[in-house]
Amino acid sequence: DAKTTQPPSMDCAEGRAANLPCNHSTISGNEYVYWYRQIHSQGPQYIIHGLKNNETNEMASLIITEDRKSSTLILPHATLRDTAVYYCIVRAPTQGGSEKLVFGKGTKLTVNP
Amino acid sequence: DAGVTQSPTHLIKTRGQQVTLRCSPISGHKSVSWYQQVLGQGPQFIFQYYEKEERGRGNFPDRFSARQFPNYSSELNVNALLLGDSALYLCASSPYGLPGEKLFFGSGTQLSVL
Repeated sequence: DAKTTQPPSMDCAEGRAANLPCNHSTISGNEYVYWYRQIHSQGPQYIIHGLKNNETNEMASLIITEDRKSSTLILPHATLRDTAVYYCIVRAPTQGGSEKLVFGKGTKLTVNP
Repeated sequence: DAGVTQSPTHLIKTRGQQVTLRCSPISGHKSVSWYQQVLGQGPQFIFQYYEKEERGRGNFPDRFSARQFPNYSSELNVNALLLGDSALYLCASSPYGLPGEKLFFGSGTQLSVL
């Protein structure tokens, strides 16, 4: 089961900031939060990840609360091409000592002109 | 540089048949993972391989198997296909399969079982 919960859908006006929330109240101290997005019929695309500090890259910013129980992905100036399903993921260990991504249903973000 | 490549892009099979899907990781990546995505759901983990060894297996029946070759490419095999195996099969690669690494996904193979 996914360890994260997200709203099923959100809308955003083109050019505005899109703020996508995620709850991960059972996250462990050494688990990263990852964000991926999936545009229809394509493979998921990595956006950003973080542990406890806020992170920023060329695509987005990630704000993680101090207690690490929730986070927000910020797309600062949404464009029509940002319309996609956004997944907030906390990775889970595999029996072989590695990790797997546990996807929920994500948030369907629609950017409107 | 080429990303993760998967073949074929689309495939149609009938129930009971067997299928082999192929994946080439990003150059230099030694870990490959497989995910299944049925319509309307997020991807589900099937397998992870590193240096030809299985490092993880999801909750899938034994009809699903995989292997990784010395050049780090991988194949996913599904035997005795069922209608419910219709899905997008995604391959992802990372350098070493270690915690904290980014996973890079291919565009997937769309499998339809009739």
